[in-house]
Amino acid sequence: GQNIDQPTEMTATEGAIVQINCTYQTSGFNGLFWYQQHAGEAPTFLSYNVLDGLEEKGRFSSFLSRSKGYSYLLLKELQMKDSASYLCAVMDSNYQLIWGAGTKLIIKP
Amino acid sequence: GAVVSQHPSRVICKSGTSVKIECRSLDFQATTMFWYRQFPKQSLMLMATSNEGSKATYEQGVEKDKFLINHASLTLSTLTVTSAHPEDSSFYICSARDSGSISYGYTFGSGTRLTVV
Repeated sequence: GQNIDQPTEMTATEGAIVQINCTYQTSGFNGLFWYQQHAGEAPTFLSYNVLDGLEEKGRFSSFLSRSKGYSYLLLKELQMKDSASYLCAVMDSNYQLIWGAGTKLIIKP
Repeated sequence: GAVVSQHPSRVICKSGTSVKIECRSLDFQATTMFWYRQFPKQSLMLMATSNEGSKATYEQGVEKDKFLINHASLTLSTLTVTSAHPEDSSFYICSARDSGSISYGYTFGSGTRLTVV
């Protein structure tokens, strides 16, 4: 079966760095997405990785290792507004998105 | 960038009535759109894949006669919740991907909060 695993909840301090991990087992692989979702709102696109390595985009970076079925989202210089759920999703061989359950990130002052 | 517009954002309806939710891709053509449902504190659950000019593909456990999907044009898909019941109350979100830019990812509508009373 297809499976995406990520921690349910994480807590971090404002100004710090946090890494949210995602492991996956899917039928084929056509890329991995990270989305941010604030409570009561729709998800917004953060990053896309299809090749191994680190993609940096401002305070957010995303890493992928296809051989390990592993990705992480790295958030630096955390701000209170970063409190949200972070969703990991993999596009399988049929170009369908398989979603993780999301990681709720709580930022404390 | 790609924009998906979804309306209404909130709707309250009585049990037994029907509700239509619209999803429009504003600056790109979407041959495929996706309808999700999200219950509180849970992840997105794909309900169906809407294909322009053909029948939608429903996920297992989703009643196609209850959740009617119409994708009549390359920029518009609609989801109609028929004979709504309180257990249908949820957050419904549509998404589409600009096939010309895979790295941009799927773009989501703003979601529709449905409350059935």
